[in-house]
Amino acid sequence: GAVVSQHPSWVICKSGTSVKIECRSLDFQATTMFWYRQFPKQSLMLMATSNEGSKATYEQGVEKDKFLINHASLTLSTLTVTSAHPEDSSFYICSAIRGNNEQFFGPGTRLTVL
Amino acid sequence: DQQVKQNSPSLSVQEGRISILNCDYTNSMFDYFLWYKKYPAEGPTFLISISSIKDKNEDGRFTVFLNKSAKHLSLHIVPSQPGDSAVYFCAASAFSGSARQLTFGSGTQLTVLP
Repeated sequence: GAVVSQHPSWVICKSGTSVKIECRSLDFQATTMFWYRQFPKQSLMLMATSNEGSKATYEQGVEKDKFLINHASLTLSTLTVTSAHPEDSSFYICSAIRGNNEQFFGPGTRLTVL
Repeated sequence: DQQVKQNSPSLSVQEGRISILNCDYTNSMFDYFLWYKKYPAEGPTFLISISSIKDKNEDGRFTVFLNKSAKHLSLHIVPSQPGDSAVYFCAASAFSGSARQLTFGSGTQLTVLP
């Protein structure tokens, strides 16, 4: 199957700092990527749809100024959590769409904000 | 309001027996349904899917049943194996713009006892 990577897999940062998470489709081009967030023992919640070369589309309740998404190429989307606070601690997962709307997930990034 | 619900947070089954995981949805626009398996601190991995024009899809030990009138789907695993122990997410899909978006249920933790 297709491979989607995320980097870093785990990050710990101090409150007030910004953290960038990368999502890469390794063996296919993805014009559309999605960013999800998962709290412990809860569902994956869609945060935003990232479209190559255009602005991301954010779901209701997601602060676009806090969660900056950049999809600068067909294989890379980045999520930057700006001025992170402890309540932003979560598991962030990206997915990439290949061809006929097949969606492949990355391994996730665990963010812990102290 | 949850559009996709998995009402059983956990399920324990003896090895060799059948595991039945259930999922209900409310949005009639969903036309494609998927089941994912997820381990802690990893991204979801695709298991099996079904289009709304079908009522059954089988792949090896996994069978998904769809009852459109009841807006209900289920995943059957037969025979269950200890390696099947994981969290199973039901997801429903509909087009949003040009891409399919997934809406996830809250997951069911399956434990297969040896």
